[in-house]
This record gives sequence, structure tokens and C-alpha cells, in this order.
Amino acid sequence: SQTIHQWPATLVQPVGSPLSLECTVEGTSNPNLYWYRQAAGRGLQLLFYSVGIGQISSEVPQNLSASRPQDRQFILSSKKLLLSDSGFYLCAWSERGHTQYFGPGTRLTVL
Amino acid sequence: GQNIDQPTEMTATEGAIVQINCTYQTSGFNGLFWYQQHAGEAPTFLSYNVLDGLEEKGRFSSFLSRSKGYSYLLLKELQMKDSASYLCAVREGSTLGRLYFGRGTQLTVWP
Repeated sequence: SQTIHQWPATLVQPVGSPLSLECTVEGTSNPNLYWYRQAAGRGLQLLFYSVGIGQISSEVPQNLSASRPQDRQFILSSKKLLLSDSGFYLCAWSERGHTQYFGPGTRLTVL
Repeated sequence: GQNIDQPTEMTATEGAIVQINCTYQTSGFNGLFWYQQHAGEAPTFLSYNVLDGLEEKGRFSSFLSRSKGYSYLLLKELQMKDSASYLCAVREGSTLGRLYFGRGTQLTVWP
């Protein structure tokens, strides 16, 4: 069966510091991968999606970036965090045209 | 893009039935999903509708009317553990199948 992992689970970072969040999927090949952010009291916002290694599409302009160095690895990064980057970051995977399944998430607080 | 609307909050008592509505306006449609999200946790998949009608899965059922841009999630025999946010999501018609999420309906079940 397929599983999805995210780490870290919780992170507190100062403004201006870098960020790296990692997501890995097991038990499937060539999945679609997604990064979402959920701010307090708001809906899920799609940040990036990827249909294959090295293929990244960005949904909203921001100071975040994403990379997919391996088939089942998806990384979310920032060079300098802003206060507004605080939120719950969720990675999700799907097979082509099928249901998206979410990882456990990373709660990021920027102080 | 997509415009998805669902009530912000609902309350009900244990053992009761509750219906959570979702309306959407879409430029392309390839299915509607319902997810459950407990506080502090990731969303988990509940149901999927792509054709008109009712899909039943245990205590949960989901209905879709594509002509009306309308769906509902029906929860029967409510339990305290059903207290959660319920997210309606519409999938666009491309091969990527990206999801557009509503802001979620926070359901509180009282004893």
C-alpha cells in the first residue's frame, strides 16, 4: 500500500531564515505531487504541483520554491521566510487522474 | 478557475443526521470530492462523485447534481468523533486533475 511522509512535523523559525520541508511517497511510481498551505481559518491553497522529476509548476507568486529531485521526493524551500509564511503545509500525491491523498503535514510558525 | 461555497459552521447532536451543502461554479469539471479534517490533522478522503446521483459509504453519503453545480454530504447516526471540518473540492477537467477547495464546514456534534 502507499504511504506518504512529511518532516518535520513542527517547525518554529525566525523571519529571514531559510526553510526546507520534505515529502516522500512509498508504494507508487511516477505520482503527481502537490504542496498546499492552509493558513489559520482559511482554505487549502495549492502552491506547487509536479507531474514528474524536475517538472514543477507554481500556482501563486511567493518567496517559496519547490523541487523534485527524485520520483517520489518533493521538497519545499525558501531562502528567507516571511511572517506570512506561517501555516500548515501539506504534501499530497495522486495517481494520474485519481484521488489526492495527504501527508500528515508540517506546522510552521515564523516569529 | 473555480468558485466553491459551503457553510462555515454547523452544529448537531449525537445520533442525528446532518447535511452539508456545497455549491460550485466551474469552467471545467471532472469530479467532486469530500474530505474530513480533524483539528490539527491532515484531510482524509471521504467520497468522490463524478456522475449525478447518490454515493453511499456506510454512515456517509454524497450527492451530486452537475446541472445545478451542487453537492451535499450526508452524515447519519452522528457520533462525537464526527466533529471536524468537512472540505468540498472540485477537480478540473485537465489531465493534471488539480483540486479547488472550499473553505470547509466546521461541524460540531454535541452529546
